Amino acid sequence: DSGVTQTPKHLITATGQRVTLRCSPRSGDLSVYWYQQSLDQGLQFLIQYYNGEERAKGNILERFSAQQFPDLHSELNLSSLELGDSALYFCASSLQGGSPDTQYFGPGTRLTVL
Amino acid sequence: AQSVTQPDIHITVSEGASLELRCNYSYGATPYLFWYVQSPGQGLQLLLKYFSGDTLVQGIKGFEAEFKRSQSSFNLRKPSVHWSDAAEYFCAVPGGNEKLTFGTGTRLTIIP
Repeated sequence: DSGVTQTPKHLITATGQRVTLRCSPRSGDLSVYWYQQSLDQGLQFLIQYYNGEERAKGNILERFSAQQFPDLHSELNLSSLELGDSALYFCASSLQGGSPDTQYFGPGTRLTVL
Repeated sequence: AQSVTQPDIHITVSEGASLELRCNYSYGATPYLFWYVQSPGQGLQLLLKYFSGDTLVQGIKGFEAEFKRSQSSFNLRKPSVHWSDAAEYFCAVPGGNEKLTFGTGTRLTIIP
């Protein structure tokens, strides 16, 4: 158990809908990362937050957004969902968010868009 | 940009046999390197990491990895695999902006 929690574990929804994925980092970690894992793209970095502020952006679509709240939990919002958004979404957390820093991953949320 | 390559997509090993999973990195300076494991239906678990110092790194579950600068490699090894080691293994390197850049993964199958 990494100490990073993600809810829900599974999510099934329809195209065009909007969903919110939630992540709670390890106790004491200030940085949260979101990754997408799909069969064709592999593991791709989406976005990073550090202590409530956006710190880095990766291959995140404009339909996707995220935020980190004062209690350091984070939410990833996916809207206007398409079939291709079906994937495993991971949250990771680290102490500071610099390099080197070790990222600990949650169990993931499997999103299925029908 | 920093990157890692895992040349083997799928490896099959007999239970009790030794294992080596390959990882090659492309990095300008001394790299920070990670190995993660993803069991079926599970998240990513950190096996071990290399930041500096001793080039032979010990990890969890009996795994070790050796950093070889001359070969740009950070191969993962285990002397004797167990059926529970069947999983997908990912090598990773910081890819800028503190994100991790992952290799494509190596799927390990264990046969009795």
